[in-house]
Amino acid sequence: QVQLVESGGGVVQPGRSLRLSCAASKFTFSNSAMHWVRQAPGKGLEWVALIWYDGSNKYYADSVKGRFTISRDNSKNTLYLQMNSLRAEDTAVYYCAREYYNSGTYGFDPWGQGTLVTVSS
Amino acid sequence: SSELTQDPAVSVALGQTVRITCQGDSLRSYYASWYQQKPGQAPVLVIYGKNNRPSGIPDRFSGSSSGNTASLTITGAQAEDEADYYCKSRDSSGNHRVFGGGTKLTVL
Repeated sequence: QVQLVESGGGVVQPGRSLRLSCAASKFTFSNSAMHWVRQAPGKGLEWVALIWYDGSNKYYADSVKGRFTISRDNSKNTLYLQMNSLRAEDTAVYYCAREYYNSGTYGFDPWGQGTLVTVSS
Repeated sequence: SSELTQDPAVSVALGQTVRITCQGDSLRSYYASWYQQKPGQAPVLVIYGKNNRPSGIPDRFSGSSSGNTASLTITGAQAEDEADYYCKSRDSSGNHRVFGGGTKLTVL
């Protein structure tokens, strides 16, 4: 079964850094664009970042641009999110998701189970 | 504008039909996709493109679009459909993605 598993979340102080990982299995990772999406406690979904299948293009939400970096290692079937200069408002569950393509249209499928990042002193 | 607007809450009687809407200028150019999220769980794709359902999604879920509005319809709502529903599309650049604020569906 197509699967994504995130790791790397935890409690971190404001201004510090954290790197999240997302391990992919049972699909051709190197053919898929990938995303990070976050959800603050009790809030809705917020798109964070996109990386193309080959890593050639990356896009970020304005709220994280300049602080977060999305990357991938296709040889390891793994997606990353490097988060620097963390703020309290970055506290959220972070999900990775594959951009699923079929019949000329797209959706996020599957999603990982999420990893919680808490920014607090 | 890159915003997508959803009603915060909608309710439906068991077995009846409910429509959840999503409004935004970008929907005139890009399809929406729809996600179901139950408490404590990751979102699940239920509709993408014009009206496509991933494998395993019941056919009571359907999608449509007109102008700046996309809709998710559940025909014959079941108790297990009670969840938060989010629409997603692209912004005007086509590169960024944007989610609606979500609609909490209650099945009475």
